[in-house]
Amino acid sequence: NAGVMQNPRHLVRRRGQEARLRCSPMKGHSHVYWYRQLPEEGLKFMVYLQKENIIDESGMPKERFSAEFPKEGPSILRIQQVVRGDSAAYFCASSQTSTSGHYEQYFGPGTRLTVT
Amino acid sequence: QKEVEQNSGPLSVPEGAIASLNCTYSDRGSQSFFWYRQYSGKSPELIMFIYSNGDKEDGRFTAQLNKASQYVSLLIRDSQPSDSATYLCATEGGGSNYKLTFGKGTLLTVNP
Repeated sequence: NAGVMQNPRHLVRRRGQEARLRCSPMKGHSHVYWYRQLPEEGLKFMVYLQKENIIDESGMPKERFSAEFPKEGPSILRIQQVVRGDSAAYFCASSQTSTSGHYEQYFGPGTRLTVT
Repeated sequence: QKEVEQNSGPLSVPEGAIASLNCTYSDRGSQSFFWYRQYSGKSPELIMFIYSNGDKEDGRFTAQLNKASQYVSLLIRDSQPSDSATYLCATEGGGSNYKLTFGKGTLLTVNP
């Protein structure tokens, strides 16, 4: 499978637990982006990472949320002490390095997080 | 605050007709424009991108961009029931040309 991979596809957590969402970019892509889609709302940018670097986390909530993209392994979006309002679909996208200044982003299947 | 506005829809067209989806954006610095298709419960799928004024055609899809009017559209010719989905317009650029700003989408239904 050459596409963007995310797991788990569905995740149920109780309030106060931690959620870890994983993303492996498309082969040949070194840029990873996380987006959140809340019910009845549009997709919102959260964070942009390259290997071992957070480039832009301006869309991340200030508390409880963190992201990483280590040298080896997938990118991880971590949500600590989840609350019901965190219930959403979390999508990862990836792109290759751009020489044109344009970044075509391809999305993974998403992780549907439900907080009970 | 950068904004992307789309026809709220839903848009309903008969099979074989042309579906026209419209989008306006607020950030004059936007450089890249994308159309994604999202089936219910699925992830966005990139179907078209356009960077220069004018038209870009790919099969049954044509994207049109007018930067002066801050307007981008998607035409789907010979619409098929399988085209029934939500279509998301997204822009990128104006200083952070990797960050996509999405519209809320237009739900298209193609009736057999």
